[in-house]
Amino acid sequence: DGGITQSPKYLFRKEGQNVTLSCEQNLNHDAMYWYRQDPGQGLRLIYYSQIVNDFQKGDIAEGYSVSREKKESFPLTVTSAQKNPTAFYLCASSMGLASGGATDTQYFGPGTRLTVL
Amino acid sequence: AQSVTQPDIHITVSEGASLELRCNYSYGATPYLFWYVQSPGQGLQLLLKYFSGDTLVQGIKGFEAEFKRSQSSFNLRKPSVHWSDAAEYFCAVGVNNNDMRFGAGTRLTVKP
Repeated sequence: DGGITQSPKYLFRKEGQNVTLSCEQNLNHDAMYWYRQDPGQGLRLIYYSQIVNDFQKGDIAEGYSVSREKKESFPLTVTSAQKNPTAFYLCASSMGLASGGATDTQYFGPGTRLTVL
Repeated sequence: AQSVTQPDIHITVSEGASLELRCNYSYGATPYLFWYVQSPGQGLQLLLKYFSGDTLVQGIKGFEAEFKRSQSSFNLRKPSVHWSDAAEYFCAVGVNNNDMRFGAGTRLTVKP
């Protein structure tokens, strides 16, 4: 089955700790994205990557970091610099460059709920 | 920059009744438009999308949406709602892969 997996489903962090959220896709997609979802605010883009070894900041990148060493994987690290990290985090992927550059459909993983204790 | 407005935060309908969820966008050119559905604690599932062509788009689960350029709208409709349709619905507009904007969502409650 092709799809996007995120782990863990629930994550708890103490203040001052860095945590890493996993995102893996086997759809052979070039592009991957991280969104943050807060109640009543929809989705906000944290980082995106159009190709391996390249990524760009989204609207709310402060306090987050990413890497894209493999096409299938796009882990997100929530650092201690993120002052309000409690939220639901969604990873998505799309064909990206293979679609010719036009907007194509983003497919989402099941999400990770991060809670700061 | 493009933006998306979903005017209704919460809608309640009776099972079997018709449904219309509103979505208005702001963008100068022809937008790419999407509707997604999210069950509690889950990711987003694509219901339908509009890129070009016929302005009435059919999606999964019996949903449809109509693109009206003159009204800058892309409302989602379903003729008869089922209890399993209770979820949160998001409208989104895309300019390119780097810039996709989501509305704040509309939560649908279905009464028995």
